[in-house]
Amino acid sequence: EVQLVESGGGLVQPGGSLRLSCAASGFTFSSYEMNWVRQAPGKGLEWVSYITSSGSTIYYADSVKGRFTISRDNAKNSLYLQMNSLRAEDTAVYYCARGRNYWGQGTLVTVSS
Amino acid sequence: IVMTQSPATLSVSPGERATLSCRASQSVSSNLAWYQQKPGQAPRLLIYGASTRATGVPARFSGSGSGTEFTLTISSLQSEDFAVYYCQQYNNWPPWTFGQGTKVEVK
Repeated sequence: EVQLVESGGGLVQPGGSLRLSCAASGFTFSSYEMNWVRQAPGKGLEWVSYITSSGSTIYYADSVKGRFTISRDNAKNSLYLQMNSLRAEDTAVYYCARGRNYWGQGTLVTVSS
Repeated sequence: IVMTQSPATLSVSPGERATLSCRASQSVSSNLAWYQQKPGQAPRLLIYGASTRATGVPARFSGSGSGTEFTLTISSLQSEDFAVYYCQQYNNWPPWTFGQGTKVEVK
């Protein structure tokens, strides 16, 4: 069974940093591209970042470019999102997703003083 | 590409038909997906390729359209179908873009 479990969310002050993790199991992680998608409270879905299976190609939404870094460790079956210079508007539930079909349960990031 | 869903809220009685619309600001061919999201849960893929049901999705869900106009139809609403529905284009990416959602509520 495919499982994606996010962790690392929490309360952080504006300008601070946070690193999200997504632990994958039930499939060959190293064979699949991955995404981060976020959802602000009461709002819709916003794609954040994409990484190929090898990590050779990476894309970011304009709203996070230069502040967020996606990475993966295929040996650890893990996906990461390093978030720096956090803003109030980054407050959201962050989901990792394998393609369109498999999503984690999300981890809440709250940026507030 | 901007995805626009209508209506924002759809009030439907159980057993009735629900029709949700999604319009793309430019053609996305058939590279359109529909998701269902319930409170506190992750989105669930219902439809991809504009009209192909994902594994395990009941036959009462159907998708149609191509280019810029798409429709999700729920033929006979069940209690578990009351949720928010999002369309998403994956033709021209990055970025994936989502519609703002349609909430299907009990009339």
